[in-house]
Amino acid sequence: SQELEQSPQSLIVQEGKNLTINCTSSKTLYGLYWYKQKYGEGLIFLMMLQKGGEEKSHEKITAKLDEKKQQSSLHITASQPSHAGIYLCGADRRSNYKLTFGKGTLLTVNP
Amino acid sequence: DAGVIQSPRHEVTEMGQEVTLRCKPISGHDYLFWYRQTMMRGLELLIYFNNNVPIDDSGMPEDRFSAKMPNASFSTLKIQPSEPRDSAVYFCASSPQGGWEKLFFGSGTQLSVL
Repeated sequence: SQELEQSPQSLIVQEGKNLTINCTSSKTLYGLYWYKQKYGEGLIFLMMLQKGGEEKSHEKITAKLDEKKQQSSLHITASQPSHAGIYLCGADRRSNYKLTFGKGTLLTVNP
Repeated sequence: DAGVIQSPRHEVTEMGQEVTLRCKPISGHDYLFWYRQTMMRGLELLIYFNNNVPIDDSGMPEDRFSAKMPNASFSTLKIQPSEPRDSAVYFCASSPQGGWEKLFFGSGTQLSVL
């Protein structure tokens, strides 16, 4: 079974709309990382969340961590075509020094 | 810095052939990771090195897969013999000592085994 479940698997929105992507862990979270991947390219680091209740923003992207629910959400305000891509969450398990990833959410933003 | 460099970008081969993927990490990074990405399984960690030493290869699917890091600036992932189910995008990533926020990925190698 997948340790990190992302929802939705894919999302199509109109430019200017807000959207939320969720990442839920089946195991204890010590750190939650959000990456973005453009088609045919590697992952690019977006944000890191380490404490329960922590919230970080970068331009129009905001991520929150709910430690109790072992869940993180990524929110994009006023989406633009440049936001299109695959968003992946990664979890730090601490115990084995690995970064485990979810399957990703494919975001399409139509102009 | 040029970032993590992978070669080739695309590889098409026939079943049974040997495939070698190459990676040059960012200079000064102590950790090197090999990931595989497929639609079905997402991004999976295959193996990672610390200071050129393999630390955890539990993600390597079979004995057909092997990885080496002969020096700090070069690593290879070899598949011998290759099978159609090995078709995927293979990513190399590197990071300095500590901090997943400093994990940098290469552009990947798209492998197709016919």
